[in-house]
Amino acid sequence: NAGVTQTPKFRVLKTGQSMTLLCAQDMNHEYMYWYRQDPGMGLRLIHYSVGEGTTAKGEVPDGYNVSRLKKQNFLLGLESAAPSQTSVYFCASRGERGNTEAFFGQGTRLTVV
Amino acid sequence: GDSVTQMEGPVTLSEEAFLTINCTYTATGYPSLFWYVQYPGEGLQLLLKATKADDKGSNKGFEATYRKETTSFHLEKGSVQVSDSAVYFCALSVRFQKLVFGTGTRLLVSP
Repeated sequence: NAGVTQTPKFRVLKTGQSMTLLCAQDMNHEYMYWYRQDPGMGLRLIHYSVGEGTTAKGEVPDGYNVSRLKKQNFLLGLESAAPSQTSVYFCASRGERGNTEAFFGQGTRLTVV
Repeated sequence: GDSVTQMEGPVTLSEEAFLTINCTYTATGYPSLFWYVQYPGEGLQLLLKATKADDKGSNKGFEATYRKETTSFHLEKGSVQVSDSAVYFCALSVRFQKLVFGTGTRLLVSP
């Protein structure tokens, strides 16, 4: 009964370093999302996927890349981290119908120094 | 584009007070509407939803009615508890399954 699992939960990066955040869901959901949460900004959509092998840009995609090679996994990559990418990152998944509930992971707190 | 506007917080109430958090939306289509809640250090959880005009979503004493004529989905609770302290997000979903969130409203309930 894991739901949506994000790894890691915390990370500190130096400017220019790269890393990958992993999101895994065990609910056979088609749709997966990556959001960032910043104070006063709410949740902003970075990238999303409507199925295995597909990805699309959201509201704030610059500086990030994603891949959905397997249906259950959605990876978010930072090729060259910048302090502006310091944030809390949330992954979510939901089923195929437009009115279904989205399930969220616990979040990854990333600090870029 | 699609967007959600929520009242700014924090909203500070005493226990047993009446709660209203305003939410209005703009959508190029016929959206489904949601309220999510985030407790400290956690991800978001669905609180309630409504999928068509005049639907009322309800859960744990919270209610919201989908008002197409005013493009609103205000969250209400008749008597808040300290345990309701959290951040509340209004959201919509339309076209290509994107979920669009408001900026969130922090609720603080004191004993």
